[in-house]
Amino acid sequence: QKEVEQNSGPLSVPEGAIASLNCTYSDRGSQSFFWYRQYSGKSPELIMFIYSNGDKEDGRFTAQLNKASQYVSLLIRDSQPSDSATYLCAVMGAAGNKLTFGGGTRVLVKP
Amino acid sequence: GAVVSQHPSWVICKSGTSVKIECRSLDFQATTMFWYRQFPKQSLMLMATSNEGSKATYEQGVEKDKFLINHASLTLSTLTVTSAHPEDSSFYICSTYRDYGYTFGSGTRLTVV
Repeated sequence: QKEVEQNSGPLSVPEGAIASLNCTYSDRGSQSFFWYRQYSGKSPELIMFIYSNGDKEDGRFTAQLNKASQYVSLLIRDSQPSDSATYLCAVMGAAGNKLTFGGGTRVLVKP
Repeated sequence: GAVVSQHPSWVICKSGTSVKIECRSLDFQATTMFWYRQFPKQSLMLMATSNEGSKATYEQGVEKDKFLINHASLTLSTLTVTSAHPEDSSFYICSTYRDYGYTFGSGTRLTVV
């Protein structure tokens, strides 16, 4: 079983719709959770992070964390073509400050 | 925000030669640098963690004699791919942690021919 799992996609959404991305993790002691966006050939850029159960909103993005279910999600509202990218879920485990990445979900926003 | 400058952005080398990749933290002192490798259509895989002034810690399966990491100062960490082979062709990315999260270098596309 992979430590951090994501649906590889592609997730195709029409422009203006909500994109919903999911991520599950195996280390129950994980403390911090990150969502990164990666365009083809580029390095990841941080979208947001979440530490506590519940929702965290930042502009068009909302992260949701449920530690009991070992599940973290990302919602992208009013999706734009420029949101087309691969979204990486990353988890910082209880053991230290190393990040473990999921395989990424490719999102395609169609005009 | 924290800035990590990574060079070169791309490099092509012949099989058997060595390639050095540099990551510099421009506006803060990076005591720890993480080195990742990413193959096409795959996610980032941590190769090693370097700490300033001490030996790097390598992940299982990563050859420490092939991937030499040096972190001699708080602003510079280097990864040298020695005796490179075509299977080493990949996207190499450095990253460091600051209080608000991790920041990544721009990545180095290595192609070994």
